[in-house]
Amino acid sequence: DSGVTQTPKHLITATGQRVTLRCSPRSGDLSVYWYQQSLDQGLQFLIQYYNGEERAKGNILERFSAQQFPDLHSELNLSSLELGDSALYFCASSSGPNYGYTFGSGTRLTVV
Amino acid sequence: GESVGLHLPTLSVQEGDNSIINCAYSNSASDYFIWYKQESGKGPQFIIDIRSNMDKRQGQRVTVLLNKTVKHLSLQIAATQPGDSAVYFCAENKRNTPLVFGKGTRLSVIA
Repeated sequence: DSGVTQTPKHLITATGQRVTLRCSPRSGDLSVYWYQQSLDQGLQFLIQYYNGEERAKGNILERFSAQQFPDLHSELNLSSLELGDSALYFCASSSGPNYGYTFGSGTRLTVV
Repeated sequence: GESVGLHLPTLSVQEGDNSIINCAYSNSASDYFIWYKQESGKGPQFIIDIRSNMDKRQGQRVTVLLNKTVKHLSLQIAATQPGDSAVYFCAENKRNTPLVFGKGTRLSVIA
């Protein structure tokens, strides 16, 4: 157990639908990062939050959004889902800049 | 632009041999580098890191080498074991920017 908790582990949904992925960071970590990993691809950075505020944005689609709550858990919302959104979505947390990230076990999203 | 890339997509080694996984980076301003291991169905797991003011760092059975002159990073695994079979990612970090990951190298250990 890495200390970063992601739910659900698996999600199957239809095109056009909306889903919410949840992440609880490791205790004490203020930064949360979301990454997308498609088949045979590396990890693509989506978005970062630090202590409730958006810090950095990567290649995140406009159909996707995220937020970090006062208790530091984060949610990634994916809407108007397309087949190409099928991927593993990872959340990671860190205690500060230039420190290693601790990853959760991911949510596998399948859009049918 | 910034990029982190891996020289080889797959690597097969005999059990007991040493493994070397390479990585090239293009951003000379990067000051922090990390190697991650990802086993099937799991999230990436931190292996070892190195900062730009170092050129070598050792862990348990692993060594990371950083050559800033040619912007090259390598991960050496000693006495490779079946449990080392996984995909290995290098990642690059500048201060206050998110980690950028390479595509990964799949290490297969032949018993």
